[in-house]
Amino acid sequence: DGGITQSPKYLFRKEGQNVTLSCEQNLNHDAMYWYRQDPGQGLRLIYYSQIVNDFQKGDIAEGYSVSREKKESFPLTVTSAQKNPTAFYLCASSTSRTVLNQPQHFGDGTRLSIL
Amino acid sequence: SQQGEEDPQALSIQEGENATMNCSYKTSINNLQWYRQNSGRGLVHLILIRSNEREKHSGRLRVTLDTSKKSSSLLITASRAADTASYFCATDRFRGSTLGRLYFGRGTQLTVWP
Repeated sequence: DGGITQSPKYLFRKEGQNVTLSCEQNLNHDAMYWYRQDPGQGLRLIYYSQIVNDFQKGDIAEGYSVSREKKESFPLTVTSAQKNPTAFYLCASSTSRTVLNQPQHFGDGTRLSIL
Repeated sequence: SQQGEEDPQALSIQEGENATMNCSYKTSINNLQWYRQNSGRGLVHLILIRSNEREKHSGRLRVTLDTSKKSSSLLITASRAADTASYFCATDRFRGSTLGRLYFGRGTQLTVWP
């Protein structure tokens, strides 16, 4: 079955530590996205990539980094510069680089907490 | 920079009743999408309505779009306990430029009591 796999489901970060969240898709989608969701809030875009080896900052990119070396993979690193990383992180993908008339497909998220 | 705003923030109804959620947005759009999120899970796409469409149906879902009022509504008919979830609207354009991204509202939390 095609889909998006996020791992791990739960992740704990110590002070001063960088952690990497994995996102893999086998939908052959060009575009991939990372969102942050805080309790009772909507989704805020962290980074997105419309094609391999290219990505753009979203609304809250500070303290995060990404890479897009393969079409299937879009890992997100939460660096120690992100002082409030506790949140639910969602990865998504879509077929079209322009997003015009295309839905996004989501993984089941990674819940990150500070130790 | 959230484009859409859902109303109400929370809605509580009995099984069998209809649930109506509204979404307002600020600028012109190409399309508007509705998503559902069960607790602790990812979002699931429900329906997409283009700016030149006024109404769309999918099973028990009915979506309307009024571009003159910059608003959309999602109606779930004959609701079930399994419909309990958060519902989000998302638009594809903001401030006149399409950047290859969606803009999500804060969502409506729907609770359906058996």
